Amino acid sequence: EVQLVESGGGLVQPGRSLRLSCAASGFTFDDYAMHWVRQAPGKGLEWVSGISWNSGSIGYADSVKGRFTISRDNAKNSLHLQMNSLRAEDTALYYCAKAPGLHDALDLWGQGTMVSVSS
Amino acid sequence: QSALTQPPSASGSPGQSVTISCTGTSSDVGGYNYVSWYQQHPGKAPKLMIYEVSKRPSGVPDRFSGSKSGNTASLTVSGLQAEDEADYYCSSFAGSNIVLFGGGTKLTVL
Repeated sequence: EVQLVESGGGLVQPGRSLRLSCAASGFTFDDYAMHWVRQAPGKGLEWVSGISWNSGSIGYADSVKGRFTISRDNAKNSLHLQMNSLRAEDTALYYCAKAPGLHDALDLWGQGTMVSVSS
Repeated sequence: QSALTQPPSASGSPGQSVTISCTGTSSDVGGYNYVSWYQQHPGKAPKLMIYEVSKRPSGVPDRFSGSKSGNTASLTVSGLQAEDEADYYCSSFAGSNIVLFGGGTKLTVL
């Protein structure tokens, strides 16, 4: 079955760090770009970051640039998001999604992992 | 990086057609044919409905169609059905490895 499963979310204090992971299965992982998209409670979708198949091209939303780092391990079919200096406004459900290329549509989404930033 | 602009709500009766707009700039929607649309039901992950402005993934009913004129893209849902009631989001590539989403439109089937 083609699927993406996120993990690593939880409750964290402002200023601390968290590392999210996304396990991919059922498709050739290194044929695809990968993205992180978040959704704050009751709000819309916000693109966070994307990475090309070979990690050669990476993009970040202005809201997370300099604090978040996206990476992938093609040997382990996994995607990661290292989140540092977390803020209350980073509280959201974080989805990983795949796309044929960085500019292409996100054709498969995981179910998300919840990150709550609060003291 | 500014979000694309969508109307917060839209509605129509069963069998009718409804169109949702998505307005950007010449640096995103108007500059690339990489506009996509996603459907999200409450508590569920988004689902791709339209890619590259007007293409439908396998399994998406042909009642869903997309188009673009200048800096504005549109999603039209024809023959509205109860299960079409959901939130809809547009998205566009914006160059420099950046992707933008719209604020979302809540579609109500009356």
